Amino acid sequence: AQSVTQPDIHITVSEGASLELRCNYSYGATPYLFWYVQSPGQGLQLLLKYFSGDTLVQGIKGFEAEFKRSQSSFNLRKPSVHWSDAAEYFCAVGASWLDKVIFGPGTSLSVIP
Amino acid sequence: SQTIHQWPATLVQPVGSPLSLECTVEGTSNPNLYWYRQAAGRGLQLLFYSVGIGQISSEVPQNLSASRPQDRQFILSSKKLLLSDSGFYLCAWSTGGSETQYFGPGTRLLVL
Repeated sequence: AQSVTQPDIHITVSEGASLELRCNYSYGATPYLFWYVQSPGQGLQLLLKYFSGDTLVQGIKGFEAEFKRSQSSFNLRKPSVHWSDAAEYFCAVGASWLDKVIFGPGTSLSVIP
Repeated sequence: SQTIHQWPATLVQPVGSPLSLECTVEGTSNPNLYWYRQAAGRGLQLLFYSVGIGQISSEVPQNLSASRPQDRQFILSSKKLLLSDSGFYLCAWSTGGSETQYFGPGTRLLVL
């Protein structure tokens, strides 16, 4: 069965520092991969997605993610974090034959001024 | 453009009372619709999804039910709420399959 793991439950970074949030998935074929962000008390907003093609994907708010098939990973990165990036981040995986996506448990990001 | 609405935004209900949460989507036809629950400090739990009117798939057996009376309307219900039903309920839509899901603003439910 498909699954998604986000090894880091909580990460704290200083404002201006670089960020990498890890995501690993378990799936036999090339998956659809997503990163979402959720601010407190809000719905989820799509940051970026990968379906095929270039393995480095650019998203909104200065985020990018790289699909590495050999490592079954889709890590999210940002070169310089802003205080407004503090939020919950969810990785998700889907497949062409599924009617749903599978969400990871989330990583909570705190930003120190 | 497409928009998704959920109401109410916040709800406080006593244990044993009924529940009805509504989700509607505008600007698209025949969307896939999803209900998720998020307990405090927890991840997303998929409760139900629907690929068409009257078609409901249940992911987790529990005290809740879902219905899709119209193409762009998705309703989450309960006959008798439990304390454990408290949480943040999110509705989402997609064009189908594992395409990108777009989320509503959520309903915060507190059962006392």
